[in-house]
Amino acid sequence: ELKVEQNPLFLSMQEGKNYTIYCNYSTTSDRLYWYRQDPGKSLESLFVLLSNGAVKQEGRLMASLDTKARLSTLHITAAVHDLSATYFCAAYSGGGADGLTFGKGTHLIIQP
Amino acid sequence: EPEVTQTPSHQVTQMGQEVILRCVPISNHLYFYWYRQILGQKVEFLVSFYNNEISEKSEIFDDQFSVERPDGSNFTLKIRSTKLEDSAMYFCASSRQGTIEPQHFGDGTRLSIL
Repeated sequence: ELKVEQNPLFLSMQEGKNYTIYCNYSTTSDRLYWYRQDPGKSLESLFVLLSNGAVKQEGRLMASLDTKARLSTLHITAAVHDLSATYFCAAYSGGGADGLTFGKGTHLIIQP
Repeated sequence: EPEVTQTPSHQVTQMGQEVILRCVPISNHLYFYWYRQILGQKVEFLVSFYNNEISEKSEIFDDQFSVERPDGSNFTLKIRSTKLEDSAMYFCASSRQGTIEPQHFGDGTRLSIL
């Protein structure tokens, strides 16, 4: 059974700082997704990582995937208040099963 | 930009009653999904649907749940006899090409069972 672990689960940081959210998964998966969720809102797709070594960047966010280590990271550069949200990673277990397994989410607060 | 739309946004139902949650996926998408999120917890997969049949379901999706695509645009989730623990936010999602593209989520239906 695929398990997805995120850490930290809660992160409070100051504007302008850099930080990384980690996502580990328990079994082989070559597809990893990052989503953002604002309070009371839906999930917004940020990145889809489809292969080992994949790196994607959008603005101040950069995501990477290391399938050998079963690890994905979401790096935040020079954080701004608007990035405050909950960030979920999700993995696809493969083998014809197409439901995503989500981590518990990282609740990120960025303070001025 | 095309969106997944869900109705209603909030549904309040007595325990034991049947409820139908409705979704209109993005029009050129072929893969449809239901997930749920209990308040403050992670998102959990319920079921996926492709080519007019269920392609995968989780342990949560037991006999009281069913899905249907009654016409070319709607995708519904029925809970036959609701329980208190069914209270959650239910999200519909769709994707064009399965898992190589992101799943696009609707705004959700908040289901409250009394």
